[in-house]
Amino acid sequence: AQTVTQSQPEMSVQEAETVTLSCTYDTSESDYYLFWYKQPPSRQMILVIRQEAYKQQNATENRFSVNFQKAAKSFSLKISDSQLGDAAMYFCAYRKGYRGTASKLTFGTGTRLQVTL
Amino acid sequence: GAVVSQHPSRVICKSGTSVKIECRSLDFQATTMFWYRQFPKQSLMLMATSNEGSKATYEQGVEKDKFLINHASLTLSTLTVTSAHPEDSSFYICSASGGRDDEQFFGPGTRLTVL
Repeated sequence: AQTVTQSQPEMSVQEAETVTLSCTYDTSESDYYLFWYKQPPSRQMILVIRQEAYKQQNATENRFSVNFQKAAKSFSLKISDSQLGDAAMYFCAYRKGYRGTASKLTFGTGTRLQVTL
Repeated sequence: GAVVSQHPSRVICKSGTSVKIECRSLDFQATTMFWYRQFPKQSLMLMATSNEGSKATYEQGVEKDKFLINHASLTLSTLTVTSAHPEDSSFYICSASGGRDDEQFFGPGTRLTVL
């Protein structure tokens, strides 16, 4: 079974600084996707970034980037120039590759990010 | 982006009653919908996966007779919590897939409180 581990229950960063959230996963699959989701106080899940396992290049989305280390099964999220609006719960998630029907997401336990002035 | 709605956003009911939560994909056809439960300060736990026109597949430990899932159309899935008890109080989130790149799009969630 696939597992996703987030070892940092809480993190804090000053506004405008950079923070890295850690995630490791375990799978025997070769075709899969990794995601970072943000859940603000509204509880709406928001996709931050996704990475296809077959791509060697790390995904980036504006101030968000990942460090995908496939051999180490590590998938960390770097948030640059942190803003107050980045404060939220961040979940790392794993999904197997598409096989005719949509595959379920497996979530980590989450990291609560605080952004301070 | 694709939009998924849930109704109601919050519901309070008495113990022993049944509650139905709707999940709709507003601008795409959702061949698969997922139902998650999230307890306070915890992660999302998948309850079941439903494909349109088929019976739902439940995760281990989730009672099929208690959490009835119907996915009768490509835009609507419902979760009915039967004979609800206080321990069923939680935040229920659906997601829908069928859009581009097999992406999952999440609804805003439903907060259920059972008194």
